Amino acid sequence: GAVVSQHPSWVICKSGTSVKIECRSLDFQATTMFWYRQFPKQSLMLMATSNEGSKATYEQGVEKDKFLINHASLTLSTLTVTSAHPEDSSFYICSASRGAGRTDTQYFGPGTRLTVL
Amino acid sequence: AQSVAQPEDQVNVAEGNPLTVKCTYSVSGNPYLFWYVQYPNRGLQFLLKYITGDNLVKGSYGFEAEFNKSQTSFHLKKPSALVSDSALYFCAVRDMYKVIFGTGTRLQVFP
Repeated sequence: GAVVSQHPSWVICKSGTSVKIECRSLDFQATTMFWYRQFPKQSLMLMATSNEGSKATYEQGVEKDKFLINHASLTLSTLTVTSAHPEDSSFYICSASRGAGRTDTQYFGPGTRLTVL
Repeated sequence: AQSVAQPEDQVNVAEGNPLTVKCTYSVSGNPYLFWYVQYPNRGLQFLLKYITGDNLVKGSYGFEAEFNKSQTSFHLKKPSALVSDSALYFCAVRDMYKVIFGTGTRLQVFP
């Protein structure tokens, strides 16, 4: 149980285009979903937290107009990178949690490798 | 603010030997601590967590972690390392609304 999927697993796009990444909790309902960004050989950087049916909460320094997050249902959250540029190239990982409490475990998706040319 | 520190960038161990990956924490209030493992180009996999109760927590793949309040540590351990354990390991602490990760420790198990 507690499986989280991401689609696509990798994507290459041209500079200036938009890319959508999906995150799904396959066997549980996720009250909260998180989006992370990971640079090579570095830890995960939290970008935003999304709760179903409400606006995402973005971390300081993350452009909400550039990284659009939609948590449309209890099993699906999407991250759209708008007007992508080469510096947006990174490994994007989502996670999902059944609850919002501090003891709830986050389960992570396999990640999406974005390369912007 | 909550934080965790992983003092070692890399740990090398021979297959069959015991392994320890270190983590220390700084929290206000009760600590909720987690260990995750990441294989190359993959997301993180949950190994174990400490919420309350026994100081020795058993997790997936034969891993365990010892919570030590006096030393504010939560070291990850395994009695006998496997080559397949080679990966990146993250210690994490749950803040009110989010999980805060350490910088990661790369474990290399040599045959």
